[in-house]
Amino acid sequence: DTAVSQTPKYLVTQMGNDKSIKCEQNLGHDTMYWYKQDSKKFLKIMFSYNNKELIINETVPNRFSPKSPDKAHLNLHINSLELGDSAVYFCASTWTSGGNYEQYFGPGTRLTVT
Amino acid sequence: DAKTTQPPSMDCAEGRAANLPCNHSTISGNEYVYWYRQIHSQGPQYIIHGLKNNETNEMASLIITEDRKSSTLILPHATLRDTAVYYCIVRVRPPQGGSEKLVFGKGTKLTVNP
Repeated sequence: DTAVSQTPKYLVTQMGNDKSIKCEQNLGHDTMYWYKQDSKKFLKIMFSYNNKELIINETVPNRFSPKSPDKAHLNLHINSLELGDSAVYFCASTWTSGGNYEQYFGPGTRLTVT
Repeated sequence: DAKTTQPPSMDCAEGRAANLPCNHSTISGNEYVYWYRQIHSQGPQYIIHGLKNNETNEMASLIITEDRKSSTLILPHATLRDTAVYYCIVRVRPPQGGSEKLVFGKGTKLTVNP
């Protein structure tokens, strides 16, 4: 009964490669997010999609391209991976058409670029 | 940047109440106070939120001062599983269909000791 799921949980890859992280929510939420948590544990928003439309794009390099095929999915594709991309990436979702706006987070994907 | 200030760390004995303070002296009249926590290596978890009245749910209580410049999260009977980083966040609720971002500060690392 996972509310927000991410795959893979761990991802180890070499510099220059292209990789994708997938996120799915089964909560019926209309908004999804990607956050990045770096080695210093700072958690920062990257993107937000509302009903498949990009709402927030926080000065993220264009090597990062989110894609939302439907309201339940928000995938993150990263081109030409760099060492600095190593981090834990969290997906989150919320319902903005009513309710508390509390965000539900996934378990995270630990990306290691070597 | 985060609009809140929290102590970097706190300790609490198991079974005792944990009181986590947060200063948000520049909070605006339409900004809510939200609390999230992040247990080691997991995604952040929503705890509680409030505007100006004190709030209580099954997890915690939130006490907001009358001038709204500070608040305290209370875990009434802390357990070892409450060991986590606790984040106090202030934000405006977006309009329906809009989106918003959580701006995480450094949080308070709460350690519950046996």
